[in-house]
Amino acid sequence: SSELTQDPAVSVALGQTVRITCQGDSLRSYYASWYQQKPGQAPVLVIYGKNNRPSGIPDRFSGSSSGNTASLTITGAQAEDEADYYCNSRDSSGNHRGVFGGGTKLTVL
Amino acid sequence: QVQLQESGPGLVKPSETLSLTCAVSGYSISSGYYWGWIRQPPGKGLEWIGSIYHSGSTYYNPSLKSRVTISVDTSKNQFSLKLSSVTAADTAVYYCARASSTSCCSRFDPWGQGTLVTVSS
Repeated sequence: SSELTQDPAVSVALGQTVRITCQGDSLRSYYASWYQQKPGQAPVLVIYGKNNRPSGIPDRFSGSSSGNTASLTITGAQAEDEADYYCNSRDSSGNHRGVFGGGTKLTVL
Repeated sequence: QVQLQESGPGLVKPSETLSLTCAVSGYSISSGYYWGWIRQPPGKGLEWIGSIYHSGSTYYNPSLKSRVTISVDTSKNQFSLKLSSVTAADTAVYYCARASSTSCCSRFDPWGQGTLVTVSS
């Protein structure tokens, strides 16, 4: 399958923990990459692989995966975490093809 | 520090060809990695367009494959996107990004700042 499904919107109270999920058949074979995008800015990679953070990404961001679902968890959400989050992986159909989820708008209350 | 910068016309007429270039600094494309193009229509999500390996192997989104060509110029340390027969539906911010060293189509980091291309007569 070539689709990744995300909830359109999620909210979290300041300082609380939030999980953003991504579902798709390709996630049974490949890890998801997660990106944060703030208005008017390019996406930024926040999680890749099993649970890896690029340099400069706070450790409150973590990733996990089970079956066909990948999750991005923000532990102790901050106001600056309010953004759109996208998952991405390689398609598992045997072709070299990338897919992105539709994105989740995170609101920090 | 790897940096990418897109360049090209911001306005393209319908039925014409969109052409963009991504200049890479801080890393030699010929050293490895996959390099990709991703677009984002106004107010919408991200769409993978295609990727190229430093050797020149290309991988395209099947929905765009008939219209897309991605090429690499290692001598100029840049790679390019051509999208033919454009329509208003191709209006988007176009990003270039480095993908991983082992997968064409994920772990995009870093990204260019993006360039808005509008298709209009």
